[in-house]
Amino acid sequence: ELKVEQNPLFLSMQEGKNYTIYCNYSTTSDRLYWYRQDPGKSLESLFVLLSNGAVKQEGRLMASLDTKARLSTLHITAAVHDLSATYFCAARMDSNYQLIWGAGTKLIIKP
Amino acid sequence: DTGVSQDPRHKITKRGQNVTFRCDPISEHNRLYWYRQTLGQGPEFLTYFQNEAQLEKSRLLSDRFSAERPKGSFSTLEIQRTEQGDSAMYLCASSGLSNRGIDGNTIYFGEGSWLTVV
Repeated sequence: ELKVEQNPLFLSMQEGKNYTIYCNYSTTSDRLYWYRQDPGKSLESLFVLLSNGAVKQEGRLMASLDTKARLSTLHITAAVHDLSATYFCAARMDSNYQLIWGAGTKLIIKP
Repeated sequence: DTGVSQDPRHKITKRGQNVTFRCDPISEHNRLYWYRQTLGQGPEFLTYFQNEAQLEKSRLLSDRFSAERPKGSFSTLEIQRTEQGDSAMYLCASSGLSNRGIDGNTIYFGEGSWLTVV
């Protein structure tokens, strides 16, 4: 059974700092997703990672995938207040289209 | 609006009543998903359609839940005899190649339908 764990679950940081959110999954998965969610809102797609070693960057966010370690990371560079949100990773089960989600990382960036 | 749209956005219902949510996916997306999310949790998969065929259904989905996608376009999710534990946000998402060059690997979510059962 595929399980997805994120850590930390809560992160408070200062503007301008760098930090990394980790996403571990328990069995093989053929793709890894990162989403952002603002309070009371829906899920905004950030990245889809399809293969080992994949790295994608958008602005101050960079995501990577290591399928051998079953680990994906979301790195935040020089954080700004607007990045405050909850970030979810989700892994897709190999044999079907179901996404298994982490519990989310609530990120608060203080000015 | 070219995104996934859901209706209604909010629904308050009394326990025991039936509710129905509608989802209109991105035009020509052949894959459609329903998820449920409660406060402070990640989404939970409910069901998946490829065109009009319901190919996957979560064990979480009791007999009170039913979903349809009759013509492979919009979908409905019905909950019969609602219970307080059904209170959640119901999210619809779609994916698949479209004729407007939208990435086929990305799953796009709608704004969600909030259900409160009192």
